[in-house]
Amino acid sequence: ETGVTQTPRHLVMGMTNKKSLKCEQHLGHNAMYWYKQSAKKPLELMFVYSLEERVENNSVPSRFSPECPNSSHLFLHLHTLQPEDSALYLCASSQEQGKSVNTEAFFGQGTRLTVV
Amino acid sequence: AQKITQTQPGMFVQEKEAVTLDCTYDTSDPSYGLFWYKQPSSGEMIFLIYQGSYDQQNATEGRYSLNFQKARKSANLVISASQLGDSAMYFCAMRGDRGSTLGRLYFGRGTQLTVWP
Repeated sequence: ETGVTQTPRHLVMGMTNKKSLKCEQHLGHNAMYWYKQSAKKPLELMFVYSLEERVENNSVPSRFSPECPNSSHLFLHLHTLQPEDSALYLCASSQEQGKSVNTEAFFGQGTRLTVV
Repeated sequence: AQKITQTQPGMFVQEKEAVTLDCTYDTSDPSYGLFWYKQPSSGEMIFLIYQGSYDQQNATEGRYSLNFQKARKSANLVISASQLGDSAMYFCAMRGDRGSTLGRLYFGRGTQLTVWP
């Protein structure tokens, strides 16, 4: 299995729908992340979980709701989204050790979300 | 705060030639790490190479090398002997040791590399 798996790969949803994105990591890492990648913008960090506790909520609207039931799984629950939320949503994981800066993040293939 | 600048929206290179992708950064953290990722059209971000701010030597990984010039705050990626499969988006990223959220990476806007036969 690949290190970080995201499902679904593609999602089209209406503005009144509720959907969830799923991320699973098989690397034994202790931190997981959601990033948003919009066209012509740098990747934006949305949420960070360390040992299943949220340590960052980067001013993300409440229509995005993360959930981390265990260290291997991360969800992003979506409801009443707007068309401008259409983007590639990337999940990542890393093994954090104190203040070390040499730890790379491993990314999934992303979910390409279109809000209509 | 950390800032990454990639000034080349697109680059073209002929197969088997070398190409340099530019990256400059700004940070006040005393210790930081610099990363390069490759993103093919499939979407996955693939880690390529890492350079630590205190590393004395430039990092190398196969055909990838990082031209690290600390005084200039630049961390350019050099790809030698380009292959058609190298065509992708390339992102420079960094993380620091102070104040930043655990594990947070700051990304540039990326450079689209096209390798032609």
